[in-house]
Amino acid sequence: KAGVTQTPRYLIKTRGQQVTLSCSPISGHRSVSWYQQTPGQGLQFLFEYFSETQRNKGNFPGRFSGRQFSNSRSEMNVSTLELGDSALYLCASSPGLAGAQETQYFGPGTRLLVL
Amino acid sequence: GENVEQHPSTLSVQEGDSAVIKCTYSDSASNYFPWYKQELGKGPQLIIDIRSNVGEKKDQRIAVTLNKTAKHFSLHITETQPEDSAVYFCAVGHKAAGNKLTFGGGTRVLVKP
Repeated sequence: KAGVTQTPRYLIKTRGQQVTLSCSPISGHRSVSWYQQTPGQGLQFLFEYFSETQRNKGNFPGRFSGRQFSNSRSEMNVSTLELGDSALYLCASSPGLAGAQETQYFGPGTRLLVL
Repeated sequence: GENVEQHPSTLSVQEGDSAVIKCTYSDSASNYFPWYKQELGKGPQLIIDIRSNVGEKKDQRIAVTLNKTAKHFSLHITETQPEDSAVYFCAVGHKAAGNKLTFGGGTRVLVKP
């Protein structure tokens, strides 16, 4: 089975712009979670989607949003980029049927640099 | 919310020695405790996990122990090898939080040949 894929792998944007990141989960997985990883704050949960619905949300401002499509692929969007949004954005997928505490499989991440 | 502390932040061991990483958490209702290994340029990979109804779990050279009363859990790696060099993260999950994981700050492990 192919693993979790994320595109693009690297991205450079300037302050004020917006960005969209994409995640394709493992085939058959219906839950997709997003995390932000920075040297200062570590790994922080952004949100989880299951069956096209946001099931959980972390403590990030409304500039961070996401969605999930009927094929379970997910996108996250960050609007009005700030320098502090520079980070590795990780996507993780899981079957989704248990609803909680499932083994999550991470993709390689998208490294975003905001200038 | 849940708070997870991980120690030490860096760990240097001689090849063949054991490595131990410890995490403490704050929410006594948390009941899922995975450990991830992250190599340079890659996403975290699950290496072992434990649930609150189990006190210890082993998988070859890797073991995790859980003390729910003290709210801490530990990762033990025996007979370390150079390929064990990576950053290790503990995480905590809660049934009421879906698949959300709260991560520790990470431990950079260096295995010296």
